[in-house]
Amino acid sequence: IAGITQAPTSQILAAGRRMTLRCTQDMRHNAMYWYRQDLGLGLRLIHYSNTAGTTGKGEVPDGYSVSRANTDDFPLTLASAVPSQTSVYFCASRLQENTEAFFGQGTRLTVV
Amino acid sequence: GQNIDQPTEMTATEGAIVQINCTYQTSGFNGLFWYQQHAGEAPTFLSYNVLDGLEEKGRFSSFLSRSKGYSYLLLKELQMKDSASYLCAVTDSNYQLIWGAGTKLIIKP
Repeated sequence: IAGITQAPTSQILAAGRRMTLRCTQDMRHNAMYWYRQDLGLGLRLIHYSNTAGTTGKGEVPDGYSVSRANTDDFPLTLASAVPSQTSVYFCASRLQENTEAFFGQGTRLTVV
Repeated sequence: GQNIDQPTEMTATEGAIVQINCTYQTSGFNGLFWYQQHAGEAPTFLSYNVLDGLEEKGRFSSFLSRSKGYSYLLLKELQMKDSASYLCAVTDSNYQLIWGAGTKLIIKP
């Protein structure tokens, strides 16, 4: 792995199903983020983690949960998917608070 | 509330110069980032400004005025590959990134 990797790259999901989007980085970055990106709305923060063992809520956290058991992994779980969660999801990480963020390649999720 | 404003879309000609503006109102300021995002891809870092003035990096330059809550990204000698969205993001007092909606730049031959 080089950088930050997300899986899957795309998924079609039935409404009501549970889904975990995976995110792994090998840069030993402290902070990690989950964003969703919808047309015309830009990147909106779902959840974040400033360091392993801690998480926080972003702008649009409802319907999503995260965990940060270690430095490298930051999975995002949709407990019961709804069509409004159809979006492109980006995971990002950065070394510390005022350095640039690096993004994964994104997960295109469609909830039907 | 926190807000970042950018034009939705701009059009420019190959070989020309274009300036993309960004104004912000945030709770505190700890730096401003510009990112480039090609369609269907992830954002990639272009520049960072934390002090007033101009930062130059090849064909791209970024300017910041903290007193005016204003930044711009200047792209020179435009190439077709510069067609992309350009995202402005500000780090607030809690060191969270606040993102603008992005400016879609269309380059015409």
